[in-house]
Amino acid sequence: GENVEQHPSTLSVQEGDSAVIKCTYSDSASNYFPWYKQELGKGPQLIIDIRSNVGEKKDQRIAVTLNKTAKHFSLHITETQPEDSAVYFCAAHFITDKLIFGTGTRLQVFP
Amino acid sequence: GAVVSQHPSWVICKSGTSVKIECRSLDFQATTMFWYRQFPKQSLMLMATSNEGSKATYEQGVEKDKFLINHASLTLSTLTVTSAHPEDSSFYICSAPPGLAVTDTQYFGPGTRLTVL
Repeated sequence: GENVEQHPSTLSVQEGDSAVIKCTYSDSASNYFPWYKQELGKGPQLIIDIRSNVGEKKDQRIAVTLNKTAKHFSLHITETQPEDSAVYFCAAHFITDKLIFGTGTRLQVFP
Repeated sequence: GAVVSQHPSWVICKSGTSVKIECRSLDFQATTMFWYRQFPKQSLMLMATSNEGSKATYEQGVEKDKFLINHASLTLSTLTVTSAHPEDSSFYICSAPPGLAVTDTQYFGPGTRLTVL
């Protein structure tokens, strides 16, 4: 079936440290993997995405890596800041044209 | 670019009434829009795919007669929750791909908080 698993469910880091969130997906035909940041009471905001023809993508402090063979992808945030605190969702685009979301990771960055 | 708006941002209604939520793509056209539902501290669950000029496609377990979707133009989709009950209280979020050619990238609206008393 269409499934995306995400770990960990909560993550607490000290300001300046790195944070890593990992996801696995079920369908090897999936070819698009976005990451969203959701603040309390707001809609998800696309922060970075990667397609299956690329192994890594970076945007300032945020990077995403993709291992198609293992069907997993990860979000890396370096030099974390308190404003990075939010819930982060990974997602995978399936062949049915649906975007299926992971269960979310609540990131807390302590000053 | 790729801004999606929703109206209202929150609504409180009595049990048994109907509520309409609008989703608009402000700076692009969208033949397809998606409606999600999110319960507190949970992930987004796809409810239905809204197709301009044709019937919506509903996910398994979503009652199409209860959640009416209309996609009358390339910039507007509406979700009507009919005969709302307290268990329909949730955060409803729409999304749309940023154009007619791209089908996988989705930009989300700010969400609508529905509370049914």
